[in-house]
Order: sequence, then structure tokens, then C-alpha cells
Amino acid sequence: GAVVSQHPSRVICKSGTSVKIECRSLDFQATTMFWYRQFPKQSLMLMATSNEGSKATYEQGVEKDKFLINHASLTLSTLTVTSAHPEDSSFYICSARGGGVTDTQYFGPGTRLTVL
Amino acid sequence: AQSVAQPEDQVNVAEGNPLTVKCTYSVSGNPYLFWYVQYPNRGLQFLLKYITGDNLVKGSYGFEAEFNKSQTSFHLKKPSALVSDSALYFCAVRDRSYGNNRLAFGKGNQVVVIP
Repeated sequence: GAVVSQHPSRVICKSGTSVKIECRSLDFQATTMFWYRQFPKQSLMLMATSNEGSKATYEQGVEKDKFLINHASLTLSTLTVTSAHPEDSSFYICSARGGGVTDTQYFGPGTRLTVL
Repeated sequence: AQSVAQPEDQVNVAEGNPLTVKCTYSVSGNPYLFWYVQYPNRGLQFLLKYITGDNLVKGSYGFEAEFNKSQTSFHLKKPSALVSDSALYFCAVRDRSYGNNRLAFGKGNQVVVIP
């Protein structure tokens, strides 16, 4: 099956710093990438959707200036959490899908962010 | 609008017994349906999907699911559960409406397989 990688898997940072998370599709071209946030024992909350070369579309309530998304190529998207605060601590999961409407969305392994 | 209901929080099953995880969906048009499994501190792994064709879909690790349009259901099944199947299972739907990119997820079902 298709593989999506995420880096780093864990990050601990101080309040006020910025953190960048990378998401890569390793063996397919991802025309669309998604970023999710997941709280313990809960479902996934979609934060934003991005198409390669276009601006991301953010879900209602997600601050685009705080969660910067760049989908620079067909295999790479990045999420930068700017001026992180403890309430941003969470499990962030990226997902990627190829071009076809019937294509499956594949998920990365997730990044555990802890803001002190 | 699109949504998924997974009515049970947790499913307990003895090892070797059949496993069923329930899912019903709601869409305006026709659905694409997916099942994913998540192990602790990991992302979601794709199990299977229904796009069109046969209502019975076979997927990874011996799992299958049956699309039932009249009941708007897509229950996940496995004939004989393994302890290693203990995980969190998510059903997801995407309405086939033009331009719809989003998957709607259920809340997830924790499956516990008892040795």
C-alpha cells in the first residue's frame, strides 16, 4: 500500500516557539493533503486541506496564522505551529491522496506535540 | 452533508470468535466508504473501501465489510478475531458530490479481543 511519512514523531518545545512538522508521500504523488488533530480517545478533527501549489483551505475555527500549511510539491506538505502554547499540545496526523476521486486517503504515523 | 455513526464505544470479543464493528452513514448522494484501524500512538491504517460494484468488500488482515444501501450501513467483520486485532477502528464516508474532498469520520470503536 501507499506510504505516508511524518517527521518528527515526537517533539517537545517551550511555549512561544514554533514547530514544523513534515509530511511526505513516499511512493505516490499527493495532489491533496490533509492535516488532522486528534485528542485522546477521540476521532480526528480536520484542520485544513491543501492542494499542491495552492493555498490551504482551513476548517472553521482553525487559525490560519497559527497553523501555517505549505504544500510545496506533490510529495511534501508542512504544518508549522507558530508561537505554540500548551493548549496546542496534541497528536497531529497528516494524510495524503492521489489524483483520482476514488483514491484512498493514506495517513502518516502522527506527530505528538508537547508544549511546555 | 455527510456523517458517520459508530454506535458502540467498545466491542469486546473472545479470541477466535467472529468480530463485527457497526457503522451507519448519511450522505446526500452516493457514498465512498472506508474503514481504518489505529494502534496506540500511530496514524490510521487503511483496511478496505467500497467504491462501486460488489457489496461485499474484502480487505487487509482478513477483514471484510458489506455495503447495504437500504440500511445505509457498512459493518466491518472478521470471521475469527485475533488478540492483535485489538485497536481503535474508524469508519469514514465521503459523499460523491462534485468537489467534495473531505472524509467524515465516526467517533471510533475500541475493539478488545480477549485471549
